[in-house]
Amino acid sequence: AQSVTQLGSHVSVSEGALVLLRCNYSSSVPPYLFWYVQYPNQGLQLLLKYTSAATLVKGINGFEAEFKKSETSFHLTKPSAHMSDAAEYFCAMTDSGGYQKVTFGTGTKLQVIP
Amino acid sequence: NAGVTQTPKFRILKIGQSMTLQCTQDMNHNYMYWYRQDPGMGLKLIYYSVGAGITDKGEVPNGYNVSRSTTEDFPLRLELAAPSQTSVYFCASSYSVSGRSWEQFFGPGTRLTVL
Repeated sequence: AQSVTQLGSHVSVSEGALVLLRCNYSSSVPPYLFWYVQYPNQGLQLLLKYTSAATLVKGINGFEAEFKKSETSFHLTKPSAHMSDAAEYFCAMTDSGGYQKVTFGTGTKLQVIP
Repeated sequence: NAGVTQTPKFRILKIGQSMTLQCTQDMNHNYMYWYRQDPGMGLKLIYYSVGAGITDKGEVPNGYNVSRSTTEDFPLRLELAAPSQTSVYFCASSYSVSGRSWEQFFGPGTRLTVL
């Protein structure tokens, strides 16, 4: 069965430091992968997506992610954290069984320390 | 272009009551979804629809029902509310490419408490 695993339910970084949020996937078919961000009391919004084109994907707000098939990973990075990056981040992938469903990871809450 | 709208934003129900959570999208997306979000548990898919008149169960469908009579609307019905249904509910929609769901667009959520 396919799955998405996010390592670390809480991550703290200092303002200006590198942000690294980890996501590993398991899928029997080439995946489509997504990162979403959720600010408090809001719905999720798309940060970036991988759909089998370039393996390094750039998204909004300076975030990027690299698809590594050999490591089954799709980690999210940002060179320099801002206070406004504090939010919860979800990694997701499309379902291999019918492509209509999306499987979400359990989320990582990012805290940015001034 | 409002995107995905949900009503109500908040609701408190008594055990055994019923209610309908409304969801409407104006992007002409064929796929629509209902999720519930509980702290530390991520999003769990309740039901989804790939087009008007077609719905299917997700991961946690018990206690819920849906219908999809139009492309725009995808209401979620709670029958006989239970405390275990206390959660935040999100509706989402997406377009498809070659039958595969692309990025999802989420509504702002409905916070439901069952007492």
